[in-house]
Amino acid sequence: QKEVEQDPGPLSVPEGAIVSLNCTYSNSAFQYFMWYRQYSRKGPELLMYTYSSGNKEDGRFTAQVDKSSKYISLFIRDSQPSDSATYLCAMVSGGYNKLIFGAGTRLAVHP
Amino acid sequence: GAVVSQHPSWVICKSGTSVKIECRSLDFQATTMFWYRQFPKQSLMLMATSNEGSKATYEQGVEKDKFLINHASLTLSTLTVTSAHPEDSSFYICSAPRGLAGQETQYFGPGTRLLVL
Repeated sequence: QKEVEQDPGPLSVPEGAIVSLNCTYSNSAFQYFMWYRQYSRKGPELLMYTYSSGNKEDGRFTAQVDKSSKYISLFIRDSQPSDSATYLCAMVSGGYNKLIFGAGTRLAVHP
Repeated sequence: GAVVSQHPSWVICKSGTSVKIECRSLDFQATTMFWYRQFPKQSLMLMATSNEGSKATYEQGVEKDKFLINHASLTLSTLTVTSAHPEDSSFYICSAPRGLAGQETQYFGPGTRLLVL
């Protein structure tokens, strides 16, 4: 079993839809959770960063962490074609440790 | 703006040559940096952890003599692909943690695309 599970998709939605991206993990030592967006042929870009259970909102993006269920989500409201990218969840136990990534979910938002 | 830079952004080389990729943290010091490689439509694969002032830590299956890492200063780490072969063609990305201890997160460089002919 992988430490972090993420459905690779692809996920195709119409413009304006609410998108839900999810990851599950098995290591209870993970304390910090991140979502990265990666466009083709580019480095990952940090979208959201959380370190506690609950919700964190930033514009159209909401990150949700449920440590008791070992489940994290990223919601994108009013999705736009420019949101089409691969979304990677990542988590770390703390300190300057290595990130553990999910497989990444490819999202396509069509007009 | 960008907090981590990489150079070059792309490189084409002949088989058997060595290629050096630079990763720089901008406006902050990074005692630790990470090197990843990514194949098309796949997630990032951690290759090694670069530590300023000490030897890099390599992930299982990564040849340390093939992928030389030097953390020359608090803002610069280099990855040298020695005697490159076509199977080394990939997208190489570095990252550096930034922030307060216990709350740091990692920022990625834009990546370097290597094509070995």
